[in-house]
Amino acid sequence: ILNVEQSPQSLHVQEGDSTNFTCSFPSSNFYALHWYRWETAKSPEALFVMTLNGDEKKKGRISATLNTKEGYSYLYIKGSQPEDSATYLCAPQGGSNYKLTFGKGTLLTVNP
Amino acid sequence: NAGVTQTPKFQVLKTGQSMTLQCAQDMNHEYMSWYRQDPGMGLRLIHYSVGAGITDQGEVPNGYNVSRSTTEDFPLRLLSAAPSQTSVYFCASSPLAGGHNEQFFGPGTRLTVL
Repeated sequence: ILNVEQSPQSLHVQEGDSTNFTCSFPSSNFYALHWYRWETAKSPEALFVMTLNGDEKKKGRISATLNTKEGYSYLYIKGSQPEDSATYLCAPQGGSNYKLTFGKGTLLTVNP
Repeated sequence: NAGVTQTPKFQVLKTGQSMTLQCAQDMNHEYMSWYRQDPGMGLRLIHYSVGAGITDQGEVPNGYNVSRSTTEDFPLRLLSAAPSQTSVYFCASSPLAGGHNEQFFGPGTRLTVL
């Protein structure tokens, strides 16, 4: 079982603010890092799957970076909107066994 | 495509009862998995399968059985329900090719054990 830490646990921002969260994971036996977005009363939906050190991925106002050598990933949201309110989960994949270990998530609330 | 479907959406059981949570996907995904979600605990892997006839344990397998007789279906069986199994259960699937594909989640089953 991988030790996955996400910080902060929760975050309140105003509409228009930019924000970022952190996911820390063991750097040994790294295979991939997944980010999911989970809205209340819905199911988690994949944002990014990252595999290479230095990887940077972007989807609209959301982007993520990956540092596999030190074992962390950042998720950035530029110009937060109320519809960005959700829990953001990261899940490292250790080895090519397809199993993901999920962090407890960062709950983002964007106030209008 | 319906994606990943789960039934039932809600279920209340008494301690000691057994039941099966159904999961099906129509995307021809080889990998399927079951998670439980509890407050403050995040998603924890119960069992997973990399293809028909192949299953393996995840992080919290005790009290649960699975089987994978077809690519489409991956039912989760509670043998003798306990209050500690009160949780929200999610099924997920993904293709295997490439080794690091996103998982697609079903809508969840909310189970209460009295």
